[in-house]
Amino acid sequence: GAVVSQHPSRVICKSGTSVKIECRSLDFQATTMFWYRQFPKQSLMLMATSNEGSKATYEQGVEKDKFLINHASLTLSTLTVTSAHPEDSSFYICSARAGGGALSYEQFFGPGTRLTVL
Amino acid sequence: SQKIEQNSEALNIQEGKTATLTCNYTNYSPAYLQWYRQDPGRGPVFLLLIRENEKEKRKERLKVTFDTTLKQSLFHITASQPADSATYLCALGTGANNLFFGTGTRLTVIP
Repeated sequence: GAVVSQHPSRVICKSGTSVKIECRSLDFQATTMFWYRQFPKQSLMLMATSNEGSKATYEQGVEKDKFLINHASLTLSTLTVTSAHPEDSSFYICSARAGGGALSYEQFFGPGTRLTVL
Repeated sequence: SQKIEQNSEALNIQEGKTATLTCNYTNYSPAYLQWYRQDPGRGPVFLLLIRENEKEKRKERLKVTFDTTLKQSLFHITASQPADSATYLCALGTGANNLFFGTGTRLTVIP
C-alpha cells in the first residue's frame, strides 16, 4: 500500500513552454501533498505544501506564479512549471501524507519527474 | 544557520559488515527524524522514523539511534548486502508538514 505515482517520468521541453506534472496517491487519500526539487548531488528542497481544496503554501524563494500547484482532489495534485527556462531543469518529486494526527508524519514519495528545458 | 550534515558523501564497505551512517544537525529542534533510501533517478523510499523521545528503533537489519543532546542520529545496516547500495537520506521533522533533508550518503557494499 501507500503508492504514489508521477507522470510523466521524464519530459524535455523548449524554453518558454509550460509543463504539467501529475502526482497521484493510488491507494490512499492524501490530505497533504508536497512538491520537492532536487538538483544533482544536492538534497531535496521543499517547494510547496498543498492541502486538498485550498491554496498551496510556498517556501521562501519559490515563485508561486511560476510553479502553479493544484490539489483538486484527495488523490491528485499537479505542478505546472510555466514559461520554463533551462535553470528550471531539475528532478521534481512529489510526496503525500495520509492523514492528520501525531502518527501520520510519514510521507510517501513518488518516483520523480526529470525535467529538461532546452 | 541551520544545517543537516551527513558524515560523508560516499561510504564503501565490505559485504557482511555493518554500515554506520551519521546525521548531525544544528539549529533545529526536530520532533522526529526519518531515514530514507534513494536509488539513482528515483524518489526516496521511507525506511524508519524515530521520535525525539525515543533513543533507538529497529527494523529487520536496520537500526536508528537519536541523541537530541548530541544533535545526532546514527543509522546502521547490519550484515550489509550489495543490494543495500544506494544513497541514504536523513530528514528532520519539526512539525507535521516540515521535513528538512540532508544531502545524503552514497553507500556502496562491495561483494
